[in-house]
Amino acid sequence: NAGVTQTPKFQVLKTGQSMTLQCAQDMNHNSMYWYRQDPGMGLRLIYYSASEGTTDKGEVPNGYNVSRLNKREFSLRLESAAPSQTSVYFCASSEFSEGEYNEQFFGPGTRLTVL
Amino acid sequence: AQKITQTQPGMFVQEKEAVTLDCTYDTSDQSYGLFWYKQPSSGEMIFLIYQGSYDEQNATEGRYSLNFQKARKSANLVISASQLGDSAMYFCAMREVTSGTYKYIFGTGTRLKVLA
Repeated sequence: NAGVTQTPKFQVLKTGQSMTLQCAQDMNHNSMYWYRQDPGMGLRLIYYSASEGTTDKGEVPNGYNVSRLNKREFSLRLESAAPSQTSVYFCASSEFSEGEYNEQFFGPGTRLTVL
Repeated sequence: AQKITQTQPGMFVQEKEAVTLDCTYDTSDQSYGLFWYKQPSSGEMIFLIYQGSYDEQNATEGRYSLNFQKARKSANLVISASQLGDSAMYFCAMREVTSGTYKYIFGTGTRLKVLA
């Protein structure tokens, strides 16, 4: 049971380059999330997906796109990277059911630097 | 709008002492959940404790307890008998229901340093 996995762990891009961050979970969760973490800012929600085929914008969606490929996988794409997107990116998943903890399970993070 | 506030950017505590990390929240929902996560220097996010808005008892998990004061909208984390391994960043989070799923809103975190 791997939980939530993310690839890559580290990435350096030049301004204007594109890349896709991959995320997969094996807990059969319906909901998946992408966050970015910047010093002093906590975790800010970029996009989330309630179920396969649905996605919604979070607090900071500009400059990103997402794809919920299937129930397991949720990818985050930077079409034209900018230095302001230098951050640590976390993928997370959770279940959605009444009366349960439904805590989020997080991947190990991707440290992205845009030069 | 829902909001989580952690007013302590950094805290120090002596080993074996207890420490309280503050968290206040703002919501108009009647049903919500409150979480604390720990992030050590290695970077992973570790779930610590959960409190539901309808729970009458304060949550406890080992050395962690959540001091839930609903009327004051506070959900402070208490760590008893601090250990050096407790040195980490701590995040308070609130869960809200939206668009058929949950959204989680995080505070800015408190960095705790346990002193030997």
